[in-house]
Amino acid sequence: DIQMTQSPSSLSASVGDRVTIACQASQNISNHLIWHQQKPGKAPELLIYDASNLETGVPSRFGGRGSGTYFIFTISSLQPEDIATYYCQQYDDLPETFGQGTKVEIK
Amino acid sequence: QMQLVQSGAEVKKPGSSVKVSCKASGGTFSEYTLSWVRQAPGQGLEWMGGIIPIFRRSYYAQKFQGRVTITADTSSNTAFMELSSLRSEDTAVYYCTSLMAGWGQGTLVTVSS
Repeated sequence: DIQMTQSPSSLSASVGDRVTIACQASQNISNHLIWHQQKPGKAPELLIYDASNLETGVPSRFGGRGSGTYFIFTISSLQPEDIATYYCQQYDDLPETFGQGTKVEIK
Repeated sequence: QMQLVQSGAEVKKPGSSVKVSCKASGGTFSEYTLSWVRQAPGQGLEWMGGIIPIFRRSYYAQKFQGRVTITADTSSNTAFMELSSLRSEDTAVYYCTSLMAGWGQGTLVTVSS
């Protein structure tokens, strides 16, 4: 199985800060990576697919890049409504696998 | 915009089975995989398996092999996930998800005697 390692596991930042989350795959997954956002008590939402493509309706402050084994997710200017846990997911090979999640809080 | 709508919460006894449905509204199934993912209380996301609806081809995570069955009815745009031999550790929210449609709202399955 492909292991997905996210870092950090949690972070605290101020409103307006730039936030960066890393996701490393244990083997090459090309650009077959999704980023999801899960707000407390809610179902996850798909934010970014194919590593860098923003889902329709997702604010432009969210972004993703990378290919192969290393990927980055960014929030260019953290907003209060961005408080959530963020997960990366690879769909290059079965079983599909998730990172352990990064909990983002407001400082 | 396609949406995924899941069936309601279930309470089950240990050893029994549960079948959760996921209906695609506002669109039709495609060649994209529809996956089932679960989330135990306070835990992360765990992929259980998936199906390519138009081919009716299912894939399962090794952990659930033999206990989970994923099917799809293309005539009603509905996918199903059945989990058998339930135990307390299967208490979780079960989600269906697809690149084409995002996530369902989740179905809480509680396993308790």
